[in-house]
Amino acid sequence: GDSVTQMEGPVTLSEEAFLTINCTYTATGYPSLFWYVQYPGEGLQLLLKATKADDKGSNKGFEATYRKETTSFHLEKGSVQVSDSAVYFCALRKGGGSNYKLTFGKGTLLTVNP
Amino acid sequence: GAVVSQHPSWVICKSGTSVKIECRSLDFQATTMFWYRQFPKQSLMLMATSNEGSKATYEQGVEKDKFLINHASLTLSTLTVTSAHPEDSSFYICSARDQGQNDEQFFGPGTRLTVL
Repeated sequence: GDSVTQMEGPVTLSEEAFLTINCTYTATGYPSLFWYVQYPGEGLQLLLKATKADDKGSNKGFEATYRKETTSFHLEKGSVQVSDSAVYFCALRKGGGSNYKLTFGKGTLLTVNP
Repeated sequence: GAVVSQHPSWVICKSGTSVKIECRSLDFQATTMFWYRQFPKQSLMLMATSNEGSKATYEQGVEKDKFLINHASLTLSTLTVTSAHPEDSSFYICSARDQGQNDEQFFGPGTRLTVL
């Protein structure tokens, strides 16, 4: 079945450091790929997405490129801030019509220190 | 973005009792809502897909009679954990699909259930 593997956390960085959170997936066909962020005490929010190979999703300084050849969708940010501290989830979605199920990775806790 | 609420945000109950959790889409109509369960340091596990006006579709291994789902309106889905046991203690999260926003799923803040 479909699955998503993302790097184990927790990740602790200093403010302005470079961030990479690795994500790889296993799926048949051509899934859409997503990064969600969960801030403390809040629900998951869509951070960015890509729907086909070589697409780059970007938002709030975060970027991720859909790499079909390596089945990866790594999340990057050039300079993190304390406010980026949260749990980050990589996810994939296949199908259309009534099938809009998301498959999530385990999540990576990021803590950014001032 | 669209807003999804859950109520209650946390609940403690005795073993053997039933607990109802509500999921509401506040500013859009959702024909499809999803219920997830999240264990500590683990991923969100999809339990079931809730469709307005019809029966829910449960994922393999999820007991239909244990986790009752009702989606009676376009803005409300409920999950009832029947005859709860300590192993049902978990974080339950719902999401609602907004067809007006490219089918994006908007997530509620979750409900922490503790069964004593």
